[in-house]
Order: sequence, then structure tokens, then C-alpha cells
Amino acid sequence: SQTIHQWPATLVQPVGSPLSLECTVEGTSNPNLYWYRQAAGRGLQLLFYSVGIGQISSEVPQNLSASRPQDRQFILSSKKLLLSDSGFYLCAWRRDRGFNSPLHFGNGTRLTVT
Amino acid sequence: GDSVTQMEGPVTLSEEAFLTINCTYTATGYPSLFWYVQYPGEGLQLLLKATKADDKGSNKGFEATYRKETTSFHLEKGSVQVSDSAVYFCALSYYGQNFVFGPGTRLSVLP
Repeated sequence: SQTIHQWPATLVQPVGSPLSLECTVEGTSNPNLYWYRQAAGRGLQLLFYSVGIGQISSEVPQNLSASRPQDRQFILSSKKLLLSDSGFYLCAWRRDRGFNSPLHFGNGTRLTVT
Repeated sequence: GDSVTQMEGPVTLSEEAFLTINCTYTATGYPSLFWYVQYPGEGLQLLLKATKADDKGSNKGFEATYRKETTSFHLEKGSVQVSDSAVYFCALSYYGQNFVFGPGTRLSVLP
């Protein structure tokens, strides 16, 4: 069966420090991978998605970047964190972009920028 | 563009009450529809889905029917439990497109 791992679970970082969040998927090959952010409240904001190694699409311009160095690894980074980067970051995968292919989420990383 | 609208709540119910969370969508075609649940401090979990008109998705006592004529996918459960307290997200997906999520509805069930 497929599993998705995200770490760390919580992170407290000072403003201006770098960031690296990692996500890996097991049990499937060539998944579509996603990074979402959930700010205070409930809504989900799509940040990046990737349909293959080295292929990254950005949905919103911001202080963050993403990379996919291996088929099942997706990394979210920042060179200098802002206070506004605080939030709950969720990684997710899909088998493909078929119309009935569901998203499967990790357990998230709670980031607090101080 | 495509969008999903759902009651934002919070919805507060007593245990064993009947639950309805409304979800309507705007779409140019015929998407698949999904309900996700998010428990406190966790990621989203797929609750149920439906891929065509009149399909009924069901799981863990929850049900939702894909209504094309009213562009709706309302979530229902006959008797809620305290453990159902969570945030519920309605979403749609087309072939080749990313998911579109609603804003989420917070449900609190009191003992």
C-alpha cells in the first residue's frame, strides 16, 4: 500500500532563517506531488505541484520554492522566512490527474516563524 | 472559473443528531466530487467520492449524492458522534486539472 511521510511535524524558526520541509511517498511510482498551505482558519492554498522529476509548477508567487530531486521526494524550501510564512504545510500525492484520482495527504508540518 | 461553496459553520450538534453540510459547485463540465475530513492537528483524509451524476458515495456512516441538476454534493450522516468533530472539505476535480477545494466547515459534536 502507498504511504506518505512528511517531516518535521512541528518547526519553530526565526524570521530570516532558511527552511526545508521534506515529503516522500512510498509504494507508488511517478506520482503527482503537491504542496499546500493552510493559514489560520481552514482554507487550503495550493503552492506547488509536480508531475515528474524536476518539473515544478508554481501556483502563487511567494517567498517559497519547491524541488523534486527524486521520483518520490518533494521538498519545500525558503532562503529567508517571513512572519507570513507561518502556517500548516501539507504534502499530498495523486496517482495521476485522472478525474477520479483522489489526493492523499500527509500529516502536515506546523511552521511557526517568530 | 470553477468553484466550490460550502457552509462555513461552525456547526454545533448534540451527539446522535442528524448532520447535513451543504456543498454546491460551479463547473464548466462534469467533475468528480469529493469530501475530505481533517481532524485536529492532522492532514486531510478522503471520506468519500462520486464520479458521475446520481452516484452516491458513502463511508463510515456518511453519505453524499452527486446532483447534477442542482450542482450539489451535500454531506449527511444520520447520527453523529463526538469523534466526528472535525473540519470537512468539499472538493471537485476534472481530468488533467488540480483539485478545487471549498473553504471547509467546522463541525463540533457535544456529548
